Amino acid sequence: DAGITQSPRYKITETGRQVTLMCHQTWSHSYMFWYRQDLGHGLRLIYYSAAADITDKGEVPDGYVVSRSKTENFPLTLESATRSQTSVYFCASGEGRGNQPQHFGDGTRLSIL
Amino acid sequence: AQSVAQPEDQVNVAEGNPLTVKCTYSVSGNPYLFWYVQYPNRGLQFLLKYITGDNLVKGSYGFEAEFNKSQTSFHLKKPSALVSDSALYFCAVDNFNKFYFGSGTKLNVKP
Repeated sequence: DAGITQSPRYKITETGRQVTLMCHQTWSHSYMFWYRQDLGHGLRLIYYSAAADITDKGEVPDGYVVSRSKTENFPLTLESATRSQTSVYFCASGEGRGNQPQHFGDGTRLSIL
Repeated sequence: AQSVAQPEDQVNVAEGNPLTVKCTYSVSGNPYLFWYVQYPNRGLQFLLKYITGDNLVKGSYGFEAEFNKSQTSFHLKKPSALVSDSALYFCAVDNFNKFYFGSGTKLNVKP
């Protein structure tokens, strides 16, 4: 089935460790996004990508790294995890900009101890 | 600062009654406006969008939203609420390659 999948769904790690969250979409959407969802803040954009090898910062990029070597994949890496990065992370994809809605994965719940 | 505000953390309504979930925005220019719904342990699902044209936009599951430029508002509405509409609702703005989501409003529809 076409869609957007995130893995893992749940992850527990320790401060200082590197962790990578995976995102894969089968629609061939050009745009992909990473958000974090925290109580009281709604969703905040971390990074987005307009196409393979093109990425740009969102509202809260510090501490995160992204890459997009293939259109369908958009991994998010926390190079040295901190407790403040405990959150639910959502990946999304979209056909274009502006007037196109985004399609979301079911999220990764990340706990950093 | 550019932002999206959802002034109510929670809205309670009885089944069969009309519902309104409020959203105001403060971004420059003519942004694109969206509503999304989130069910527990799931990602957001698109409900409707305003790009241009008619100020009343119709979307999925019987929802509609009214755009008011002078009040910079984009309130979500439904004439008759269902228990199954209970969920978390997010207003979102897309403005010049920047995306902003509101903090969300929890809708509780009671039988």
